[in-house]
Amino acid sequence: QSVLTQPPSASGTPGQRVTISCSGSSSNIGSNTVNWYQQLPGTAPKLLIYSNNQRPSGVPDRFSGSKSGTSASLAISGLQSEDEADYYCAAWDDSLTGRFGGGTKLTVL
Amino acid sequence: DVQLLESGGGLVQPGGSLRLSCAASGFTFSNYAMSWVRQAPGKGLEWVSAISGSGGSTYYADSVKGRFTISRDNSKNTLYVQMNSLRAEDTAVYHCAKEGQWEPRTRYDNWGQGTLVTVSS
Repeated sequence: QSVLTQPPSASGTPGQRVTISCSGSSSNIGSNTVNWYQQLPGTAPKLLIYSNNQRPSGVPDRFSGSKSGTSASLAISGLQSEDEADYYCAAWDDSLTGRFGGGTKLTVL
Repeated sequence: DVQLLESGGGLVQPGGSLRLSCAASGFTFSNYAMSWVRQAPGKGLEWVSAISGSGGSTYYADSVKGRFTISRDNSKNTLYVQMNSLRAEDTAVYHCAKEGQWEPRTRYDNWGQGTLVTVSS
């Protein structure tokens, strides 16, 4: 069981806005920044959002992140079929370990 | 372009050992922390271990502490993990990942494709 809790699945239709939540604690999300990863089938993960709400160059502005207290969220607007993937949140923990969420499988209906 | 190329995976018996390597290129290796992240078949990502840019600080998940040792050779631009006392639950694809800064913070801006480790008799 992961220390960071994500819903196992999410879905939406093309053009819709979907959000994926990530719940942690005061020792991880509450005191460190959150990063989000997208993993397409059969590929290595890709950094999608870092430092809670920053997008690396090349990531469309349809992807956005936010954090409040011990929770964080990833929002995808204008959903596209190519967004179908697994999404993971991650944060450093004050126990000096890294933490990943269990992952959310996004289905585009 | 940043490239991370893992090697050393394979089939090993329970209780056995394996050393994985990750050859890095395209950036100043010693300036960045590095990590190992694994993914068991059909499962999610699991953080395994991290090392600071200098190699002076190392960090481990409880599940591997005392069995795995992370290290780096900045003169060879290579990251390693020595895995001892391997268990079936260590079976996974092991990715090396480059941090975006000197110290580990789970901000991985580049990933290798991974190397498969299978622990089975």
